[in-house]
Amino acid sequence: AQSVSQHNHHVILSEAASLELGCNYSYGGTVNLFWYVQYPGQHLQLLLKYFSGDPLVKGIKGFEAEFIKSKFSFNLRKPSVQWSDTAEYFCAVVGGSSNTGKLIFGQGTTLQVKP
Amino acid sequence: EAGVTQSPTHLIKTRGQQATLRCSPISGHTSVYWYQQALGLGLQFLLWYDEGEERNRGNFPPRFSGRQFPNYSSELNVNALELEDSALYLCASSQQVSPLHFGNGTRLTVT
Repeated sequence: AQSVSQHNHHVILSEAASLELGCNYSYGGTVNLFWYVQYPGQHLQLLLKYFSGDPLVKGIKGFEAEFIKSKFSFNLRKPSVQWSDTAEYFCAVVGGSSNTGKLIFGQGTTLQVKP
Repeated sequence: EAGVTQSPTHLIKTRGQQATLRCSPISGHTSVYWYQQALGLGLQFLLWYDEGEERNRGNFPPRFSGRQFPNYSSELNVNALELEDSALYLCASSQQVSPLHFGNGTRLTVT
């Protein structure tokens, strides 16, 4: 069965610090990968996605993620976080070449950025 | 562009009752997905509807059911409510394999 593991449940950083959130998935075939963000009181929003091509994908608000197939990883990075990045971050994967509609989410990582 | 809308925002029911949650997808989106976000359990896939048909369902009992209407809106029904059904229920929509767009959710509380 597919699964997604996010290593950090709660991360606390100061503004301007660099961020890396780990995400590993278990699925042996083709995957589409996503990072979603949920700001306090708001709905889930797409940060970035990987379908194919360049494994380094850039998303909104200065976020990027790198797909490393050999490590089954899709870590999220940002060089310098801001207080407004305080939110919950979810990694998600849908496996297979056909659309099963079943997006599997990780448990989420709560990021708290101190001003 | 209007986003995914869900109603009601909050719903309070007692154990054994039935709950009905509603979702309107983004215009042009034919797929609707339902997820349960329970405390400590993350987002769990419930159901996927596309073009009026149930295409896939997650590991939930049959008392979780739903349907999709000709206008692509959707209902999620939960029968014989149990205390552990208390959660945020999220609806998302997409067009084919495009990323999911989520609504704000319905907070269901079972007492």
